[in-house]
Amino acid sequence: EIVLTQSPATLSLSPGERATLSCRASQSVSRSLAWYQQKPGQAPRLLIYDASISATGIPARFSGSGSGTDFTLTISSLEPEDFAVYYCQQRGDWPVTFGGGTKVEIK
Amino acid sequence: EVQLVQSGAEVKKPGESLKISCKGSGYRFSRYWIGWVRQLPGKGLEWMGIIYPGDSDTKYSPSFEGQVTISADKSIDTAHLQWSGLKASDTAMYYCARFVGSPDTFDLWGQGTLVTVSS
Repeated sequence: EIVLTQSPATLSLSPGERATLSCRASQSVSRSLAWYQQKPGQAPRLLIYDASISATGIPARFSGSGSGTDFTLTISSLEPEDFAVYYCQQRGDWPVTFGGGTKVEIK
Repeated sequence: EVQLVQSGAEVKKPGESLKISCKGSGYRFSRYWIGWVRQLPGKGLEWMGIIYPGDSDTKYSPSFEGQVTISADKSIDTAHLQWSGLKASDTAMYYCARFVGSPDTFDLWGQGTLVTVSS
């Protein structure tokens, strides 16, 4: 099973700042990595797939990069609605696995 | 509207059985995999398994195989997750989600079903 390690666990930032979230895989997943956002009391929402392709309707301030084992989600300038938990997910191999999440909180 | 609607919250006792549902609408339900994801209280997401309603082909996570049963009835555009003997440790939010192959992501999510198991 491929293990995804997200860092940091918590990111404390102010609105307008840049957020950089990391996801590292225990073995290569090529570009088969997605990012999700989850707000309290809500289901997750797909942000990015295939490492860098934005899902429909996702604001341009969200971007993804990376391949193999190291991936990054960047939020260029945090809006108030971006404070949430973010998860990465791989399907480079079965079973599908998720990372443990990074909470982006207001500083 | 394309959506997945899950059945309502459940409160059960240990040892009881339970079947929760996920109904799709607005798209060809039988042509997309449906996955189930567990979220323990205050914790992250865990993939449980997926089913292809068209032929009921099912894949389970090793962590959940034998613990739950995933099924689907394509005639009513509904997938199910069931337990035959609940434990307190099954208390969690359960989400169904549409799994799109290539890029192998969950692009549409249900609202979640909260299952509480308590004596």
